[in-house]
Amino acid sequence: DQQVKQNSPSLSVQEGRISILNCDYTNSMFDYFLWYKKYPAEGPTFLISISSIKDKNEDGRFTVFLNKSAKHLSLHIVPSQPGDSAVYFCAASPPLIQGAQKLVFGQGTRLTINP
Amino acid sequence: DAGVTQSPTHLIKTRGQQVTLRCSPKSGHDTVSWYQQALGQGPQFIFQYYEEEERQRGNFPDRFSGHQFPNYSSELNVNALLLGDSALYLCASSWAGSDGYTFGSGTRLTVV
Repeated sequence: DQQVKQNSPSLSVQEGRISILNCDYTNSMFDYFLWYKKYPAEGPTFLISISSIKDKNEDGRFTVFLNKSAKHLSLHIVPSQPGDSAVYFCAASPPLIQGAQKLVFGQGTRLTINP
Repeated sequence: DAGVTQSPTHLIKTRGQQVTLRCSPKSGHDTVSWYQQALGQGPQFIFQYYEEEERQRGNFPDRFSGHQFPNYSSELNVNALLLGDSALYLCASSWAGSDGYTFGSGTRLTVV
């Protein structure tokens, strides 16, 4: 049962253009969403997050949009840079249980930025 | 400031053997979580340790066990290895009640 889905395994974007990565979830109990970036031979690094009480969060070139009714979130990167080439994981978290946060990850989308 | 440190980086084991992976959390962090990332998949939650106790567990068999030490470091043990246990094992640390992890670079386990 894949509760978090990233349906695009890969995405190729021209440098300077907008990259849009999508993520769908099925569990309405998720109340916190995160995006992680992963380079080869490294662990995932936190990029940006959004609480379910918001519909948009912005941090520099990165913006995450949340549509709760559609159970859909997206990550926008503007402008895209070659260093953004990596695998991007969407993750969701149910409400904390005794302070424990368990993340449910999507399968990842490999983003390639072309010069 | 050292981040999350995992050892070893790579490991090859034979089916049926046992393996122990180690993790030192980021300074100031007291909670350690373990994830398994199979090829082409996202990380899957194995379990989380806080105050030397397993606080939450994912959908993994009892062959997967862990431990947290008083200095907050942690071990992941896998018994009776199967070929399907081949994966990247990620350790992530945080402090209790926070909303984000710091991940280590992982241990690549290959079972032959």
